[in-house]
Amino acid sequence: KAGVTQTPRYLIKTRGQQVTLSCSPISGHRSVSWYQQTPGQGLQFLFEYFSETQRNKGNFPGRFSGRQFSNSRSEMNVSTLELGDSALYLCASSPPGTSTDTQYFGPGTRLTVL
Amino acid sequence: GDSVTQMEGPVTLSEEAFLTINCTYTATGYPSLFWYVQYPGEGLQLLLKATKADDKGSNKGFEATYRKETTSFHLEKGSVQVSDSAVYFCALISPSNTGKLIFGQGTTLQVKP
Repeated sequence: KAGVTQTPRYLIKTRGQQVTLSCSPISGHRSVSWYQQTPGQGLQFLFEYFSETQRNKGNFPGRFSGRQFSNSRSEMNVSTLELGDSALYLCASSPPGTSTDTQYFGPGTRLTVL
Repeated sequence: GDSVTQMEGPVTLSEEAFLTINCTYTATGYPSLFWYVQYPGEGLQLLLKATKADDKGSNKGFEATYRKETTSFHLEKGSVQVSDSAVYFCALISPSNTGKLIFGQGTTLQVKP
């Protein structure tokens, strides 16, 4: 089975721009979670989607948004980029089952904001 | 709220040494516990997990036991290799917090030949 894929792998943007990141989960997985990883804050939860519905959300400003499509693929969008948004963005998918199922991570998208 | 605390790194060991990375947690209810590993430039790989008290997760020579009485999930390996050099993250997920993994700050392990 193919793993979680994320595109693009690297992005360079300037302040004020917006960006869209994409995540394709493992086949059959319906839950997708997103995380931001920075050296200062570590790994922080952004949001989780299941069957096209956001089920949970972390403490990030409204500039961070996401969605999930009927094929379980997910996108996250960051508008009005700030320097502090530079980070590795990871998505993870979980198989159908309980809410505590194992999450399998993609390789991440490295976003640099100049 | 729920939280995970890991021992601070970096941890530097010689090849074939014994490894322990401490992890303690705070959570309501009965979370599932995980260890993930991250190699440079990569995402997180699941190393092992445990879903209930006294469960032992194991993989590739690594082990961790879910200890509810001490709220701990320490990672151990009897003989580390240079290839084990990476960052290790302890994490939990609670039934009441759908899809949200809570991570410790990560522990960098460097193994020298």
